[in-house]
Amino acid sequence: DGGITQSPKYLFRKEGQNVTLSCEQNLNHDAMYWYRQDPGQGLRLIYYSQIVNDFQKGDIAEGYSVSREKKESFPLTVTSAQKNPTAFYLCASSIGWRRQGAASSGANVLTFGAGSRLTVL
Amino acid sequence: GQSLEQPSEVTAVEGAIVQINCTYQTSGFYGLSWYQQHDGGAPTFLSYNALDGLEETGRFSSFLSRSDSYGYLLLQELQMKDSASYFCAVIGSNYQLIWGAGTKLIIKP
Repeated sequence: DGGITQSPKYLFRKEGQNVTLSCEQNLNHDAMYWYRQDPGQGLRLIYYSQIVNDFQKGDIAEGYSVSREKKESFPLTVTSAQKNPTAFYLCASSIGWRRQGAASSGANVLTFGAGSRLTVL
Repeated sequence: GQSLEQPSEVTAVEGAIVQINCTYQTSGFYGLSWYQQHDGGAPTFLSYNALDGLEETGRFSSFLSRSDSYGYLLLQELQMKDSASYFCAVIGSNYQLIWGAGTKLIIKP
């Protein structure tokens, strides 16, 4: 079955350490996204990528970095520059708006991974 | 600016019908989506409306009025498993989804 795999599910980090969250999809989706969710809040976009070797900053990119060297993979690094990294991180993918347009289901239907919960000690 | 508003919490009784409203403000409009998220889980897609009117999928329906910048999610024959947070989302000016803060649906027996 196709889907998105995020790892690790739980991660503990000491202050000053960088950590990398993995996200792999086998849905053949062009677009991939990283969101952050804090308790009782909505989703905030960190980075997104509509195509391999290209990615864009979202609303809260400071202290984070990504790469998109393969279509299937979109890892997120939480750097020591992120002041408050404790949160639930969600990776998602979609067909993307480049193929079908922004008003298409391809742009609006996201498939999510199970999430990674990061705690800073 | 671009924003979405939805109630923070709605309470209903098992077996009843509940409506979750969403109003939006965007520079362009490409459709309204709804997602469900259970506590500790990931959001899952429920429905998408690009045009005015009602879309029905089983017990769930979603409505859109583009002239009023308004939509709602209607859940019928509520079951305890429907207890979750529900998010509305629209495509923003950078062609990425902008999310509402979510509505927590509490279902009482």
